[in-house]
Amino acid sequence: GDSVTQMEGPVTLSEEAFLTINCTYTATGYPSLFWYVQYPGEGLQLLLKATKADDKGSNKGFEATYRKETTSFHLEKGSVQVSDSAVYFCALMNSGGYQKVTFGIGTKLQVIP
Amino acid sequence: SAVISQKPSRDICQRGTSLTIQCQVDSQVTMMFWYRQQPGQSLTLIATANQGSEATYESGFVIDKFPISRPNLTFSTLTVSNMSPEDSSIYLCSARPGPETQYFGPGTRLLVL
Repeated sequence: GDSVTQMEGPVTLSEEAFLTINCTYTATGYPSLFWYVQYPGEGLQLLLKATKADDKGSNKGFEATYRKETTSFHLEKGSVQVSDSAVYFCALMNSGGYQKVTFGIGTKLQVIP
Repeated sequence: SAVISQKPSRDICQRGTSLTIQCQVDSQVTMMFWYRQQPGQSLTLIATANQGSEATYESGFVIDKFPISRPNLTFSTLTVSNMSPEDSSIYLCSARPGPETQYFGPGTRLLVL
């Protein structure tokens, strides 16, 4: 079945540091890929998405590129802020009729001043 | 996009009782879902709420424990029945307003004593 593997946290960075959160996936067909963010005490917010190979999703300074050859969708940001502290979930939506969404375990990011 | 609200936002309940969670979407959507997020864990799909018919449950979840209603295209309820402390989780409503796009509500934080 489909699965998403992402690096376990917590990840602690200083403000203005470069962020990478790795995400790889296993799926049949051609899934769509997503990053969601969950701020403390809140629900999930869609951060960015990519629906086909080589697409780059971007939002709020974050970006991720759909790499079919490496089955990866790593999240990056050039300069993190304290307000980016949250849990980040990588997810895929399969391309079959049911289009079920499968989530990774989530990576907690803590940015310190 | 879709704006999703949930009520209640949190509750503390006694074991053996039941709680009904309401989910309202600001636009008509074909697909609505209910997820559970246990402490420190990722999201697990409970069921797909089908408008006008019985919900479709994932493996490990049954209608007697988690009855779901979907009376129209903007509203759904999830009931957690005969609660035990193991049901303490965040319950998230989700909606898919279009292809390859899924949004989440803020969640209902449930603590069962």
